[in-house]
Amino acid sequence: QVQLVQSGTEVKKPGASVKVSCKVSGYIFVNYGISWVRQAPGQGLEWMGWISGYNGNTNYAQKFQGRVTMTTDTSTSTGYMELRSLRSDDTAVYYCARDYCTSTSCFFDFWGQGTLVTVSS
Amino acid sequence: QSVLTQPPSVSGAPGQRVTISCTGSSSNIGAGFDVHWYQQLPGTAPKLLIYGNRNRPSGVPDRFSGSKSGTSASLAITGLQAEDEADYYCQSYDSSLSGAGVFGGGTKLTVL
Repeated sequence: QVQLVQSGTEVKKPGASVKVSCKVSGYIFVNYGISWVRQAPGQGLEWMGWISGYNGNTNYAQKFQGRVTMTTDTSTSTGYMELRSLRSDDTAVYYCARDYCTSTSCFFDFWGQGTLVTVSS
Repeated sequence: QSVLTQPPSVSGAPGQRVTISCTGSSSNIGAGFDVHWYQQLPGTAPKLLIYGNRNRPSGVPDRFSGSKSGTSASLAITGLQAEDEADYYCQSYDSSLSGAGVFGGGTKLTVL
């Protein structure tokens, strides 16, 4: 069965960086992309960007460009999301999700359990 | 401010039918991009509920249905059950944002 398992809770100080991992199983990693979505406390879902599992191509939301880097390690079927220059409003649960794409859009059919990142001095 | 607009809340009694709207524009839903819906139970990760405007993944009850017309989409839930109380999000893509994924702001469904 498809599973995405994320790394654990992080507590960071303002200005620091965080790197969240997402290890997948149950499907061929290179056949799908991974999107990252975050959810601030009590707020809605926010798409951060996407990375191809095949060639590492990325597409970042404008809001995060210059501050986020998404990478993959095909040897371990793991995706990574690094966010730099953290601010208090980056406090959120960060999710990875498998991208399933058709000719008319992509959707997220399997999700990780989420990683809480708290940014506090 | 979300690119896709949803009502903040809807409610209904057990057994009733409710609908949740998702309004976009000519650069996302109106551009022909599909709409997808997710259900998020409290304290859990979102779960895919409807994909490609109207398709249900295996295991999703047929009480849930989706539709799309023009620049809007809707999620309908019939035969409301207490377990349906959750947050619901629509999602699509937007060509004006370099193909970025976009979500609605979410709708809290309360089963009275």
